[in-house]
Amino acid sequence: GEDVEQSLFLSVREGDSSVINCTYTDSSSTYLYWYKQEPGAGLQLLTYIFSNMDMKQDQRLTVLLNKKDKHLSLRIADTQTGDSAIYFCAESIGSSNTGKLIFGQGTTLQVKP
Amino acid sequence: KAGVTQTPRYLIKTRGQQVTLSCSPISGHRSVSWYQQTPGQGLQFLFEYFSETQRNKGNFPGRFSGRQFSNSRSEMNVSTLELGDSALYLCASSRFPSGGQTQYFGPGTRLLVL
Repeated sequence: GEDVEQSLFLSVREGDSSVINCTYTDSSSTYLYWYKQEPGAGLQLLTYIFSNMDMKQDQRLTVLLNKKDKHLSLRIADTQTGDSAIYFCAESIGSSNTGKLIFGQGTTLQVKP
Repeated sequence: KAGVTQTPRYLIKTRGQQVTLSCSPISGHRSVSWYQQTPGQGLQFLFEYFSETQRNKGNFPGRFSGRQFSNSRSEMNVSTLELGDSALYLCASSRFPSGGQTQYFGPGTRLLVL
């Protein structure tokens, strides 16, 4: 089935690292994404990882994928107050002929100064 | 390059009315998808269009419909509005309808049904 789960809330201090976790169920997922949503705004693509990769690093962002456990994580190094937002993980399903995304519920990241 | 634009940004309607939302994709993008975002259900896929054809449809009642024009712009329509249709409707565009294509989202249309 299609299901993506995330913890709902994470609070960190400015300068610390944040780790947001996600689990998914569809073993045929091809790409997994992290999106950021700020209040009143749409979704901003942060990064994505192809299902045959274990890790991807992009500046302060590190994505880890454990395909065996169907677990995805997003690490934000040196978290800033501007990183406060809702973070969604999403998977693209099976067929390469569709861009349909299944989203998790979103993790609200609160960064305390 | 201009991003995905959605109009209107905010809309207030009453139960029983119908509404049409518009999405203009990024230039050169031919695939458009729509999502509904509510506090209770989160982000749910509505439908996906490519080359004026609906390629995929989510689990929504027939009151929700859409179309795509030859210039790739897309509209979605909701007829006989219900209170539960109050949501943020997001549109996303990509070059092709493929899992590997980066999808860019617009700012959304916030619909309130009274």
